[in-house]
Amino acid sequence: ETGVTQTPRHLVMGMTNKKSLKCEQHLGHNAMYWYKQSAKKPLELMFVYSLEERVENNSVPSRFSPECPNSSHLFLHLHTLQPEDSALYLCASSQGPNSPLHFGNGTRLTVT
Amino acid sequence: GESVGLHLPTLSVQEGDNSIINCAYSNSASDYFIWYKQESGKGPQFIIDIRSNMDKRQGQRVTVLLNKTVKHLSLQIAATQPGDSAVYFCAEKDQAGTALIFGKGTTLSVSS
Repeated sequence: ETGVTQTPRHLVMGMTNKKSLKCEQHLGHNAMYWYKQSAKKPLELMFVYSLEERVENNSVPSRFSPECPNSSHLFLHLHTLQPEDSALYLCASSQGPNSPLHFGNGTRLTVT
Repeated sequence: GESVGLHLPTLSVQEGDNSIINCAYSNSASDYFIWYKQESGKGPQFIIDIRSNMDKRQGQRVTVLLNKTVKHLSLQIAATQPGDSAVYFCAEKDQAGTALIFGKGTTLSVSS
């Protein structure tokens, strides 16, 4: 139990579908993050939220749309994805930039 | 650009040996560094961190060394066990100072 729960664990979607990834943290942290992990590539930072405000958008295509309704929940809305978007999407939370990130176990996304 | 890299993609050791995993970082302004372990099917798990005002920090069976002169970070694991087999990532703060960027990872294999 990491304190960060991601659902679903696995998701298969077509390129015309709309789906959402959910993340919930039970650690009382004030910052939340989305990272993408592709095979043979480093973890790529996608979005950063601090106190529910988006503070960083790392040149992510608009087909990925984050939402942070409160400090405990983070969503990643997906629409018209491409096969190259298939990857492990990791959510993390922290108590600020000089504190460790606590990761969930990720959502394995496959785009067909 | 920003990048955090590791010198070796794989490392194989015998049970009981000491392991050393190395990392070269690029952001000389980073004041915080961290090591993660990722097992198959799980998200990255925090191991140990170090701030830039230190050059060494010890945990349980692990030691992190920071050499700011040559921008080098290393993780030492004492008496390596089969359960230490995983992918290890180093990370540093990004230029914005709001998130962590990760290296490619070193796969540690421990044989008994």
